[in-house]
Amino acid sequence: DTEVTQTPKHLVMGMTNKKSLKCEQHMGHRAMYWYKQKAKKPPELMFVYSYEKLSINESVPSRFSPECPNSSLLNLHLHALQPEDSALYLCASSQLDILPSMNTEAFFGQGTRLTVV
Amino acid sequence: SQQGEEDPQALSIQEGENATMNCSYKTSINNLQWYRQNSGRGLVHLILIRSNEREKHSGRLRVTLDTSKKSSSLLITASRAADTASYFCATAKRLGAQKLVFGQGTRLTINP
Repeated sequence: DTEVTQTPKHLVMGMTNKKSLKCEQHMGHRAMYWYKQKAKKPPELMFVYSYEKLSINESVPSRFSPECPNSSLLNLHLHALQPEDSALYLCASSQLDILPSMNTEAFFGQGTRLTVV
Repeated sequence: SQQGEEDPQALSIQEGENATMNCSYKTSINNLQWYRQNSGRGLVHLILIRSNEREKHSGRLRVTLDTSKKSSSLLITASRAADTASYFCATAKRLGAQKLVFGQGTRLTINP
């Protein structure tokens, strides 16, 4: 199984709503990532989890709150978002680069297309 | 911050022709990866080249890496309509978990 599954595929939310994006992988990867991608732009890293602990936060506003409840699941909790937060949110996972010979390709989910109204 | 610059930003060729995309970066890297994205959905990993490698092949793909010039190129030979997609290079530094930084991407269109 080389899939990263993201739900929901589409989400429309108001600026006062609270919602969550979910991501799941069963490849045994111990690194998981959230990326944000605006139209016609490259993905931008938001958060990195290593061994279920937050290791990188790219100065993301607190209205985005990540959570990694176990080694297979990654959530992104959303609260009080702005219209400019509308984007494609991508989850990814990879092995941790322990040995130089290990592949460290990232596997991406299909993304959640978020619209904030 | 995005350190990768790709050119061209858009490329349109006829089916059967070869497509070459270039990527430049600014800092030292552990490896460089190329990804494909169809219609704004998930990214698919194509190939990874480590900083101590100069060239790598995978099927119709050929990637080169020149660390002295901080640049890489992706060649797709004998292009097909199904190769129409956006292609991104991504550089990785080893920070425990790798931190992938994507280039601006090249939009490739293969005309039948």
